[in-house]
Amino acid sequence: QVQLVESGGGVVQPGRSLRLSCVASGFTFSEYGMHWVRQAPGKGLEWVAVIWLDGSHISYGNSVEGRFTISKDNSKNTLYLVMDSLRAEDTAVYYCATSKGGEDFDYWGQGTLVTVSS
Amino acid sequence: QAGLTQPPSVSKGLRQTATLTCTGNDNNVGDLGATWLQQRQGHPPKLLSYKNNDRPSGISERFSASRSGSTASLTIAGLQPEDEADYYCSAWDRRLSALVFGSGTKVTVL
Repeated sequence: QVQLVESGGGVVQPGRSLRLSCVASGFTFSEYGMHWVRQAPGKGLEWVAVIWLDGSHISYGNSVEGRFTISKDNSKNTLYLVMDSLRAEDTAVYYCATSKGGEDFDYWGQGTLVTVSS
Repeated sequence: QAGLTQPPSVSKGLRQTATLTCTGNDNNVGDLGATWLQQRQGHPPKLLSYKNNDRPSGISERFSASRSGSTASLTIAGLQPEDEADYYCSAWDRRLSALVFGSGTKVTVL
């Protein structure tokens, strides 16, 4: 069955960096684009970034552009999000989710919590 | 990025019908339509409807999506206690080259 497992979350000080991973199984990872979506405590969903199936196209949300980097290693079935210059407002649960054929969000991970605090 | 507009809450009785709306513009919902997600408390979101209004496998027929112009709608027929959740719409915005979410609608089953 399809599984997406995020990891790498934790408590980090403002201004520091963190790398999240999302390991995929149960489907052909190289045939899917991938999103990162986050949700601050008690708030709604916020789109973070997307990467196309072969990494040929990447887009970011306004609030993270220039600070976050999304990448995808099809040989390892793994999606990454490198988060630099972290701010308190980046505190959220970060989910990875799939994208294929112009349709998004068929599959979601359980999320990993990132807390930015001194 | 400006998001899509959803009413904050909808309350309906058991077995009644709820219709949720999601309003965007010609660059997002009006272009390719909207995706609908359900999020129960403490769980990740779950896909309810594709942009073409089709349901993924395993999603109850009680959930149906439609679109008129730049407004997408999700109708939940025969409300059940398990339908209590937050519902989000999303759409790709071709002008922003970004995906946008609605702020979510909390559905309460009375």
